[in-house]
Amino acid sequence: QKEVEQNSGPLSVPEGAIASLNCTYSDRGSQSFFWYRQYSGKSPELIMFIYSNGDKEDGRFTAQLNKASQYVSLLIRDSQPSDSATYLCAVTGGGTSYGKLTFGQGTILTVHP
Amino acid sequence: GAGVSQSPSNKVTEKGKDVELRCDPISGHTALYWYRQSLGQGLEFLIYFQGNSAPDKSGLPSDRFSAERTGGSVSTLTIQRTQQEDSAVYLCASSLAKWTGGGYRELFFGEGSRLTVL
Repeated sequence: QKEVEQNSGPLSVPEGAIASLNCTYSDRGSQSFFWYRQYSGKSPELIMFIYSNGDKEDGRFTAQLNKASQYVSLLIRDSQPSDSATYLCAVTGGGTSYGKLTFGQGTILTVHP
Repeated sequence: GAGVSQSPSNKVTEKGKDVELRCDPISGHTALYWYRQSLGQGLEFLIYFQGNSAPDKSGLPSDRFSAERTGGSVSTLTIQRTQQEDSAVYLCASSLAKWTGGGYRELFFGEGSRLTVL
C-alpha cells in the first residue's frame, strides 16, 4: 500500500463546475496535510494546508480532512481553465518522522471552456 | 537569493559516470528536501535535512546515492555510476520548519535539475 494515494485521473470538468480531488494516506500518526499545484514543466507550489478535522476555505478552494477515515480532499469551485494542472497531495509523517513530507502521485485536472 | 536555486538545470551524462547536483536554499531555511520526479510521475522522497543532519534517508534508492549539507545551507546530491533509470528531474525544496498547532511546513521548490543518462 502506498503511503499517499491519489486517483491519477485525468479529471475533466467544464468551466464553472466544481472539481473534487481526493487523497488517502496510510500513516494514522500524520499531522499535517497539504495540497500543491504543479503546472506542466514547473515546480510544485502550495495551495492549501490543513491539520484539523473539518473544512478549511480559501477563496475558491476548500480543503477537507477526516482523520478517522484517513482522507483529505480538495474542492475547487467555479473552476477555470487556468486551474488545469496536476494536484499533489502531501502528508507529513507521524511520530519521529514528522519532518518527512510524502507526496501522492498527483491528479491531473483539465478544465475545458 | 530570493528563491531556491538548483544547478545544473540540465545534465546529460553517460551511463557509469558520477554526477553532482547542487541546491542553494532560501536564506534562513533550516529544512532542506530532495525529491525525484520521473516523467508523468509524482514526487519520490529521497532525503531531508534538518540543519546539517539527515533524520531520514529512507528514500535514497541505493548506495550509489548520497547527499550532504554543509553550514546549514548548500546541499549536494551525488549519484555514482549513473544508470539509465536515474534519469529524472531532481527537485530540491527548503522550509522554515516552523511548527504551529498541528504543524505547518510550506516547502519552496527550486526549478529542478533534469538529469538524462544515456
